[in-house]
Amino acid sequence: GQQLNQSPQSMFIQEGEDVSMNCTSSSIFNTWLWYKQDPGEGPVLLIALYKAGELTSNGRLTAQFGITRKDSFLNISASIPSDVGIYFCAGQPANTGNQFYFGTGTSLTVIP
Amino acid sequence: GAGVSQSPRYKVAKRGQDVALRCDPISGHVSLFWYQQALGQGPEFLTYFQNEAQLDKSGLPSDRFFAERPEGSVSTLKIQRTQQEDSAVYLCASSLLEHSPLHFGNGTRLTVT
Repeated sequence: GQQLNQSPQSMFIQEGEDVSMNCTSSSIFNTWLWYKQDPGEGPVLLIALYKAGELTSNGRLTAQFGITRKDSFLNISASIPSDVGIYFCAGQPANTGNQFYFGTGTSLTVIP
Repeated sequence: GAGVSQSPRYKVAKRGQDVALRCDPISGHVSLFWYQQALGQGPEFLTYFQNEAQLDKSGLPSDRFFAERPEGSVSTLKIQRTQQEDSAVYLCASSLLEHSPLHFGNGTRLTVT
């Protein structure tokens, strides 16, 4: 399947700091999604992106669909303890059906 | 229901047993997906339905894995003659339309002993 490289693999930050993570693919994607997963639960959708260059916000979260259509970025501003969890990117390749491929995840720890 | 519902939440099977995992998607959602998530990894695609039609099963790891969605709503993922390497969380997701975002259930954690 498609390889999505997500980085960093893990982050340890102080409460109040901003966070950035990104995802890159080897091929062009039509859609990028960002999810958060807490232990024992399924991934929860944070932001969906459909167009190259699109910048979308959801509260303190902002995500961008890269212009090359091969990458996406997620920023979290002013982190709080409940931001702890694993963040996944997911992408839907162009011309290969309806499935979404997932990155390997970024584990975020927020230190109060 | 309000979200995707999966049952059971936990399943322990002895190696060689057959298991069946159930998924109730969000009402009205056309597409349904099954993913496998190993510990510390991202979800890996298994198979996808549009209504009752299984349009892609390229991610199923072997012919021991079988999925169905006979009436275009509830889906069952069946694993025959389970092996230890089948131990994982099996996630079901549904989407309203083709290319819409996926909404996940909380998964079934399968442990094969």
